[in-house]
Amino acid sequence: EVQLVESGGVVVQPGGSLRLSCAASGFTFNDYTMHWVRQAPGKGLEWVSLISWDGGITYYADSVKGRFTISRDNSNNSLYLQMNSLRTEDTALYYCAKDMVSSSWDFNFEYWGQGTLVTVSS
Amino acid sequence: QSALTQPASVSGSPGQSITISCTGTSSDVGAYNYVSWYQQHPGKAPKLMIYDVRNRPSGVSNRFSGSKSGNTASLTISGLQAEDEADYYCSSYISSSLVVFGGGTKLTVL
Repeated sequence: EVQLVESGGVVVQPGGSLRLSCAASGFTFNDYTMHWVRQAPGKGLEWVSLISWDGGITYYADSVKGRFTISRDNSNNSLYLQMNSLRTEDTALYYCAKDMVSSSWDFNFEYWGQGTLVTVSS
Repeated sequence: QSALTQPASVSGSPGQSITISCTGTSSDVGAYNYVSWYQQHPGKAPKLMIYDVRNRPSGVSNRFSGSKSGNTASLTISGLQAEDEADYYCSSYISSSLVVFGGGTKLTVL
């Protein structure tokens, strides 16, 4: 059974930093591209970032480019999101999601974690 | 980039069929057969219901179907059931920003 468990969400002041983690199990982690998708309270979904199966390729939404860094540790089946220069508009539930295809990506988010809440507030 | 346009809400009675539209542009929905649909119950993570316009992942009921015409994609749910009450989001590949979501549609089963 595929499981994705996010952690690291807390209350942080504007301008602060935070690192989110996602522990994956139930599939061959190093075969799949992984994503972060966020959802502001009461709002819709917003794709944040992806990292390829081998960690060699990353992409970011314009809203986080230059502030967030996605990474992965395939030896520990873990995905990370380093968030710097946080803004109030970054307040959201952050989900990690598994892409559907192996050794590529198609932006079909096949499995999702339950999310971790990041609140940026003074 | 602008989000794809979905109706804020739709409703239907048990047993009926409903359709949720997702309108984009010739740069996203109209350009690629890469439209997905997600179901989200309150307090839960989204669930992939349709991918690549019309394909259902394993385990998703065949009451859910997808289609596309021009710049508009559609999700149809037939034989509506109480458990279908949820928020539904569409998404599409777009070359400029990779993926864009719709604003979401709240489905109410009367």
